[in-house]
Amino acid sequence: GQQVMQIPQYQHVQEGEDFTTYCNSSTTLSNIQWYKQRPGGHPVFLIQLVKSGEVKKQKRLTFQFGEAKKNSSLHITATQTTDVGTYFCAPANQAGTALIFGKGTTLSVSS
Amino acid sequence: DSGVTQTPKHLITATGQRVTLRCSPRSGDLSVYWYQQSLDQGLQFLIQYYNGEERAKGNILERFSAQQFPDLHSELNLSSLELGDSALYFCASSVEPSKYNEQFFGPGTRLTVL
Repeated sequence: GQQVMQIPQYQHVQEGEDFTTYCNSSTTLSNIQWYKQRPGGHPVFLIQLVKSGEVKKQKRLTFQFGEAKKNSSLHITATQTTDVGTYFCAPANQAGTALIFGKGTTLSVSS
Repeated sequence: DSGVTQTPKHLITATGQRVTLRCSPRSGDLSVYWYQQSLDQGLQFLIQYYNGEERAKGNILERFSAQQFPDLHSELNLSSLELGDSALYFCASSVEPSKYNEQFFGPGTRLTVL
C-alpha cells in the first residue's frame, strides 16, 4: 500500500540552529499537507502544497514540494523554543479519501 | 481552539469493556474523521464520515465502529477492549471530504485500558 516515510524521527537542536524534516513517498502525490502538534496538544494545519516544485514560506518556515511530487520538506530557520513539537506531513491517499499521517518528526530545542 | 469538541478528555477502563467517544465538529463542517495516536504507530486514520454516511475506512479494527448522527456529531465505539487499544483518539472535521480541505482536530480523548 501507499507509504510515507518521514525523517528524521527525532531531532534535537540548539536554539538558533536550522532544522529540516523530509517526507518521502513511494508514489506520486496529488497534494501534501503539513501539521504541527505541540506537546500535549492536537495537530494543527500549517500549509498545503499542490503544484510540482512549489515553495511556500511562513515566516521562518519554508515548505517545498518536489518536482516529481514524491517528496516534500519543511525547513525552519533559526529555531526557537516555540518550534518544539511534532511535525507531520500528510499526503492524501491514492483514492483521495483520507490523509496519511506517519510518525512525524519530533523536534526538541534547547536554549 | 479549533472549534472541534471531544468528550471525555480521559477514560480509564478495563480489558473486555466497551466505551464510546464523542465528537462535535466545527460549526458548518460536514465531514468527520477519527484517528488513533499511539507512541509506536504515529497518527493512524480510522474512519471518515460525511453528512451521516461512511466515506472512507482506514486501519479500523472490527471491534471498533462509528457513526455520524443527523446533527453531525459523531461517536466512536470501541468494544472488547485490549491493552493495546490504549491511545489518544482524535476527531477532526472539515467542510467537505475533499483531500484538499484542511482538517481541524479536537483536543483528543486519552483512553487507558488496564
